[in-house]
Amino acid sequence: DGGITQSPKYLFRKEGQNVTLSCEQNLNHDAMYWYRQDPGQGLRLIYYSQIVNDFQKGDIAEGYSVSREKKESFPLTVTSAQKNPTAFYLCASSIRVWGQPQHFGDGTRLSIL
Amino acid sequence: KNEVEQSPQNLTAQEGEFITINCSYSVGISALHWLQQHPGGGIVSLFMLSSGKKKHGRLIATINIQEKHSSLHITASHPRDSAVYICAVGGGADGLTFGKGTHLIIQP
Repeated sequence: DGGITQSPKYLFRKEGQNVTLSCEQNLNHDAMYWYRQDPGQGLRLIYYSQIVNDFQKGDIAEGYSVSREKKESFPLTVTSAQKNPTAFYLCASSIRVWGQPQHFGDGTRLSIL
Repeated sequence: KNEVEQSPQNLTAQEGEFITINCSYSVGISALHWLQQHPGGGIVSLFMLSSGKKKHGRLIATINIQEKHSSLHITASHPRDSAVYICAVGGGADGLTFGKGTHLIIQP
């Protein structure tokens, strides 16, 4: 079955370290997204990519970086510049038509040690 | 930027009750999404609406484009319906704008 795989499910990071969250999809979707979820808040867009080798900043991109070298992969790096990285991170994908539903992964919960 | 407001934030009901969750948004849109998030965190898309009403099993979603308002109804609610229900607007290449979610608990 097609879907989105995020790994790992739980991730721990020491302060000052960069960490990379994996997102892979086999839905043949062009567009991919990273969202951050904090308790009591709606999901917020970190970065999105409409096509391979292109990506755009979302509302809260500071302290994060991404790459899109392959259509099926959109890894997110949480850098040491992100002051409050503890959160739940969700990856999503969709076809490149406005208003189409997004498919979500199961998320990665990042905690700082 | 669109603002999405959901109500109520928390809802506890007894099994079998009819449930209504509301969503309002500030800027006119062409599509609205209802999503379900289970305790493990994964999100499932329930509906995408551009007008009128959609039904899937015991779930019904309606939208009034003129009033910028949508509702999600659950008939004959069951404990397995317990989850966070999220309204979102927009979509396509630029991502979605999300409400904060409604935390629903159905007690046996």
